[in-house]
Amino acid sequence: QVTLKESGPGILQPSQTLSLTCSFSGFSLSTYGMCVGWIRQSSGKGLEWLANIWWNDDKYYNPSLKNRLTISKDTSNNQAFLKITNMDTADTATYYCARSVGFAYWGQGTLVTVSS
Amino acid sequence: DIQMTQSPSSMSVSLGDTVTITCRASQDVGIYVNWFQQKPGKSPRRMIYRATNLADGVPSRFSGSRSGSDYSLTISSLESEDVADYHCLQYDEYPPWTFGGGTKLELK
Repeated sequence: QVTLKESGPGILQPSQTLSLTCSFSGFSLSTYGMCVGWIRQSSGKGLEWLANIWWNDDKYYNPSLKNRLTISKDTSNNQAFLKITNMDTADTATYYCARSVGFAYWGQGTLVTVSS
Repeated sequence: DIQMTQSPSSMSVSLGDTVTITCRASQDVGIYVNWFQQKPGKSPRRMIYRATNLADGVPSRFSGSRSGSDYSLTISSLESEDVADYHCLQYDEYPPWTFGGGTKLELK
């Protein structure tokens, strides 16, 4: 059974760095062809892809946010991570992680609020 | 970047209706389109993969089709549990992965 679960700080101040963790089970990020992605959704809005990391450590970033994003993984502990620097109120959203190139499985999401 | 133009953005529906939602890709994405259902406060659930394949556990009243660069999700005989938001995704050419703008189904 594939499960993913996101965790984050809940609230942070403008200009701070957001650190998110995706803890998963039922698959391994060391398996050929496997990947995990991060997607966010502002309240009442659509889905925005942020970044993906592959089994071979290839990384892809949304060009509109690329300079602010860092994705990484800990294969041994079945975790993936996303850091976003210089957070702004416009980055307030629910952040999801999802498995595989077509996002077949999703976590429950973690709400991140940026507020002073 | 490939754009996925989803229509309509919202739709007023009745139980028992046949509902069709469409995404138009700005360039060829082959079969690499998925459809997701999202209920309030929940994460997206994959309903259709590779344009026409029903995901595990999805009722057979859902179907996906392709005509050229137009991809459609059809719900036959709409049930109350189908009232939700729906999103398409292209994953043929990345980065970036791109979603449609979403369709909100509301009961009349």
